[in-house]
Parts: sequence; structure tokens; C-alpha cells
Amino acid sequence: GQQVMQIPQYQHVQEGEDFTTYCNSSTTLSNIQWYKQRPGGHPVFLIQLVKSGEVKKQKRLTFQFGEAKKNSSLHITATQTTDVGTYFCAGTGNTPLVFGKGTRLSVIA
Amino acid sequence: DAGVIQSPRHEVTEMGQEVTLRCKPISGHDYLFWYRQTMMRGLELLIYFNNNVPIDDSGMPEDRFSAKMPNASFSTLKIQPSEPRDSAVYFCASSLAGQSYEQYFGPGTRLTVT
Repeated sequence: GQQVMQIPQYQHVQEGEDFTTYCNSSTTLSNIQWYKQRPGGHPVFLIQLVKSGEVKKQKRLTFQFGEAKKNSSLHITATQTTDVGTYFCAGTGNTPLVFGKGTRLSVIA
Repeated sequence: DAGVIQSPRHEVTEMGQEVTLRCKPISGHDYLFWYRQTMMRGLELLIYFNNNVPIDDSGMPEDRFSAKMPNASFSTLKIQPSEPRDSAVYFCASSLAGQSYEQYFGPGTRLTVT
């Protein structure tokens, strides 16, 4: 079945450093979604990418969807302590959303 | 809107007991999803409904798990009998029109089976 792999599993950064998480699918995706889960919380939708090569920005967050629609990335510029949490990508093709295992981000002040 | 509501928020039970988790989706949403989250396996889709009808239950671990959606505003996930390996956080999520739309997650139920 469809698999979505996400790396790295963990990332520790100093406040102010940049952060990137990568997502790869075993199959071509219709779209990809990104979610953030704060410690002890629930996943919260951030954004959806649909088009090949699409790039979207939300303040310090930049999301990209690969040309082949099989990979995606989330880049955070100048991390802040409020960015702490686990970031999940979730892709859909012919199946319901399949979530990656997430990247847990720690930000050291 | 209050968002997706789940109850209870925490459940501690002994092995062999029946556990029922409850979910109220956002009004007007057509799809409802049940997920299980553990450190080892991440976020796993157990089952989802469209217009109260179960569409895909291939993620349900075994016959001990069952889910129902008697109406558009209520769903249950039942585990009978429960086992320690069922300990996890169970999330319910709803969406407006299917897998291509953003999902709104409830706060989750943390289940501990001793």
C-alpha cells in the first residue's frame, strides 16, 4: 500500500536556526497536507499543496511539492520556541490520507 | 463551532474490560475518521465513514475493535475485550468532503489498559 516516509525523525535546533523536514511517498500523490501537533495536543492542519512544483509560504514557513508529486518539504526560517512540536505530512492518492511518522522539532532558547 | 468533541479525554481500564470512545464531529462534515497514535507506529487510520456509512475499515487491528456511526453527529469506537497493547491516544477527525480536504482533529482520548 501507499507509504509516506518522513525524515528526520527528530531535530534539535538553537532558536534562530533554520529547520527542514522532508516527506517522500512511494506513489504519486493527488495532494499533500501538512499538520502540526504541539506536545500533548492534537494534529492541526497547516496547509495543502495540490499542483506539481507548488510552493506556498506562511510567514516563516515554506512548503514545497515536488515536480513528480512524490515528495514535499517544510522549511522554517529562524525558528522560535513557539515552533516546537511534531510536523506531519499526509498524502493522498487513491487512498485516504496516509500520514508520515512526523518530525519532532525541539528548539533550544 | 465547538470543533470535534471526544469523550472521555482519559480512560484507564483493566485488561479484559470493554472500552467505548465517543466522538461528535463538526456539524455539516460528511467524513469521520478514527485514528490511533503510538510512539512506535505513529498515526494510524483505523476506519472512516462517509455520510454515516463505513467506507474502509482495513486499519482496524482485529475483531476486538468495532466502530459505529448511528447518525451524522455521533460515532463510537469500541474495544472488547481490551488489552495492554491497545494503550494509545485515539483521535477522531472530521472533514467537509473527503480525503482531499483538511481534517479537523478532536483532542483525543488517552487510553491506558493495565
